[in-house]
Amino acid sequence: EAQVTQNPRYLITVTGKKLTVTCSQNMNHEYMSWYRQDPGLGLRQIYYSMNVEVTDKGDVPEGYKVSRKEKRNFPLILESPSPNQTSLYFCASSLRLAGKQTQYFGPGTRLLVL
Amino acid sequence: AQTVTQSQPEMSVQEAETVTLSCTYDTSESDYYLFWYKQPPSRQMILVIRQEAYKQQNATENRFSVNFQKAAKSFSLKISDSQLGDAAMYFCASPGAGSYQLTFGKGTKLSVIP
Repeated sequence: EAQVTQNPRYLITVTGKKLTVTCSQNMNHEYMSWYRQDPGLGLRQIYYSMNVEVTDKGDVPEGYKVSRKEKRNFPLILESPSPNQTSLYFCASSLRLAGKQTQYFGPGTRLLVL
Repeated sequence: AQTVTQSQPEMSVQEAETVTLSCTYDTSESDYYLFWYKQPPSRQMILVIRQEAYKQQNATENRFSVNFQKAAKSFSLKISDSQLGDAAMYFCASPGAGSYQLTFGKGTKLSVIP
């Protein structure tokens, strides 16, 4: 089954404790992206990747890191989480460019930073 | 900055009636797609319909159709014969700069009244 998976689905952590949210897709997509969703703000892009070893900042990259060492995986790293990073996070992938291909979303990761 | 505006934060519709959700966007791209995504209480992002900007014909998917006005940069979603399962948050999305990003509106919460 074609899908985007994220782990964990739910995470409670404390300020400053490094964490990684994994994202994997099995559709051989070149493009992958991370979004955060906050009430009243819609989805905002954090980082995106055009292909292996090619990443770039989205609209809200501060406090996040990403890497793309393999085509199927695109982990999101919070080196020192803060309470303002409490949010719902989505990973998405598409065959190529975001504006010219349908993006497929993972199920989301709910993060609470205390 | 590329923007997507959904002017109706909340809407309601009687079951079996028709409702239209509005969306305006601003992109400098000439060849692009526009998207409507549905987010039910499960929080999963589900593609409802997409429109290819170079096509004059409005896209249709069963009970869902769009009214695409390219010159006005308007992309509304019409839901016919509304069902209880249509109750959800709906997000409009258009490409950002260079089609490397997808920009989302803040969403419209649709309630369906039995």
